[in-house]
Amino acid sequence: NAGVMQNPRHLVRRRGQEARLRCSPMKGHSHVYWYRQLPEEGLKFMVYLQKENIIDESGMPKERFSAEFPKEGPSILRIQQVVRGDSAAYFCASSPEYIKSDEQYFGPGTRLTVT
Amino acid sequence: AQTVTQSQPEMSVQEAETVTLSCTYDTSESNYYLFWYKQPPSRQMILVIRQEAYKQQNATENRFSVNFQKAAKSFSLKISDSQLGDTAMYFCAFCNSGAGSYQLTFGKGTKLSVIP
Repeated sequence: NAGVMQNPRHLVRRRGQEARLRCSPMKGHSHVYWYRQLPEEGLKFMVYLQKENIIDESGMPKERFSAEFPKEGPSILRIQQVVRGDSAAYFCASSPEYIKSDEQYFGPGTRLTVT
Repeated sequence: AQTVTQSQPEMSVQEAETVTLSCTYDTSESNYYLFWYKQPPSRQMILVIRQEAYKQQNATENRFSVNFQKAAKSFSLKISDSQLGDTAMYFCAFCNSGAGSYQLTFGKGTKLSVIP
């Protein structure tokens, strides 16, 4: 059973460009979480999605950031007009379909560098 | 809001020795989970151990065990017989199981170096 997959693993963008980060959850998982890790920091929650629904986006910056998890395909974290401060590692985690699951399985992360 | 504090930014231990990493948290919730994650240089987040707050018995996974003190809101990780492969960042994390979102709140981490 393949684990959580994220691509690309490394992404370089110039200031003002768009960044798209993809996350394919484990098979059978329909819950996805996105976290951001700034240098020398712990991970910080951004958004929680189920298929076709955003459940909790309390950690998302108000502007330029959006996330989706369509019925088919991976979850996408989109950052428009990137700035240097967006440089970070972005992790997604997935959890099983049954409710009340606290077990989150992490992907390897995408390291975004904004030049 | 929950907060997680790891007061030791860096620690080192001799191979085969025992080391304890500290973690305290602040919450008004009664039902929650606590976790320790390991992040080696590959940056992959690896779950080391989890503890359910309603369980009084401390969790154990092979060489890893926790000391969970609910009243003190303390959740330390003990690594016995340290191995070179244990060198990594260790993050303590909290999850409020009573909420609709099972987001994890992480501490800032402790960088552990195992010395040969």
